Amino acid sequence: AQKITQTQPGMFVQEKEAVTLDCTYDTSDQSYGLFWYKQPSSGEMIFLIYQGSYDEQNATEGRYSLNFQKARKSANLVISASQLGDSAMYFCAMTGINDYKLSFGAGTTVTVRA
Amino acid sequence: EAQVTQNPRYLITVTGKKLTVTCSQNMNHEYMSWYRQDPGLGLRQIYYSMNVEVTDKGDVPEGYKVSRKEKRNFPLILESPSPNQTSLYFCASARGGGAYEQYFGPGTRLTVT
Repeated sequence: AQKITQTQPGMFVQEKEAVTLDCTYDTSDQSYGLFWYKQPSSGEMIFLIYQGSYDEQNATEGRYSLNFQKARKSANLVISASQLGDSAMYFCAMTGINDYKLSFGAGTTVTVRA
Repeated sequence: EAQVTQNPRYLITVTGKKLTVTCSQNMNHEYMSWYRQDPGLGLRQIYYSMNVEVTDKGDVPEGYKVSRKEKRNFPLILESPSPNQTSLYFCASARGGGAYEQYFGPGTRLTVT
């Protein structure tokens, strides 16, 4: 079974600053994938970034980067140069590479202050 | 436009009255899935489908049924809804399982009284 833990229920960040969202996971799979999704107040789920367990480099997508530390089983999301539009709930999720199940964490709410 | 659609978007019903939430995708995706979102619990997978006529249970399948008779559609059926099924429901699709990102529908807010 896979388990995702997001320990920060809510965070405040100043506009233009960077913020790190924590995600730790537990799995017995050797090959797995980690995702981050964003859910703004409007409710839709938006894919942000993906990291495979065997990827040698940390994933980056624009202002989003994933700080992947395999030995520590952590996959933290870093948002650089925060914008007001980054205010949302963020979910970490994982799956086995050959699996069809996707497990989500409880989420972290980010509020960006002007 | 590539999208996943769900209907209805909002539904208030009473205990025991059978209901169906429809989900359709226009991306020719093989994989489809249903989730429910509850405060403090994130999203939990109800059922998923790897292809037509192939479905399997997620983490919280009790009280739900699904079917996949066509590739594009994956309806969620609540035969006898109960108040503990009040939740926000999302349908999603992907090219496959594993590493593929999932595309989510807009969500269905269900209230069972």
